[in-house]
Amino acid sequence: DGGITQSPKYLFRKEGQNVTLSCEQNLNHDAMYWYRQDPGQGLRLIYYSQIVNDFQKGDIAEGYSVSREKKESFPLTVTSAQKNPTAFYLCASSIGGTRTGELFFGEGSRLTVL
Amino acid sequence: RKEVEQDPGPFNVPEGATVAFNCTYSNSASQSFFWYRQDCRKEPKLLMSVYSSGNEDGRFTAQLNRASQYISLLIRDSKLSDSATYLCVVGRRGGSYIPTFGRGTSLIVHP
Repeated sequence: DGGITQSPKYLFRKEGQNVTLSCEQNLNHDAMYWYRQDPGQGLRLIYYSQIVNDFQKGDIAEGYSVSREKKESFPLTVTSAQKNPTAFYLCASSIGGTRTGELFFGEGSRLTVL
Repeated sequence: RKEVEQDPGPFNVPEGATVAFNCTYSNSASQSFFWYRQDCRKEPKLLMSVYSSGNEDGRFTAQLNRASQYISLLIRDSKLSDSATYLCVVGRRGGSYIPTFGRGTSLIVHP
């Protein structure tokens, strides 16, 4: 079955530690996105990538980093510079290019900083 | 002004009621519009795309008003299972397709 897999589902980290969230898709989609969701809030865009080896900052990129070395994979690193990292992180993909298609989401990763 | 705005609610309605949500967007160059449904602590899932001519899927009707820059979602004959948060998504272009989410409208359908 095609889809997006995020891991881990739940993650706890201590302040000052970096953590990397995995996102893998087998939909052959060009575009991939990372969103952050806080309680009672909508999704805010962190980073997005339209093609391998290229990515752009979204609205709240500070304290985060990404890479896109393979079409299937778009990992997100939450660095110690992110002041308030506790949140629900969602990875999504879409066909990409000039097509404005449906977003497919992973099940999300819930990060808690202790 | 936020790029995509929704009334957070909650909208509290009895089973069988008709309920409507609106979503306004600020970028007149926006090109694509969607409604997603999100259940508590889950990922969003596509409910329906919104076309200029309007579209209907069973009990759900979505419409786009480009002149006033809003989209709407109408749910008829509400079911208990319709209880969720409904997210408006607007696609803008900055050289790339960038989907922007509203904060969502919470719907609670009670017996």
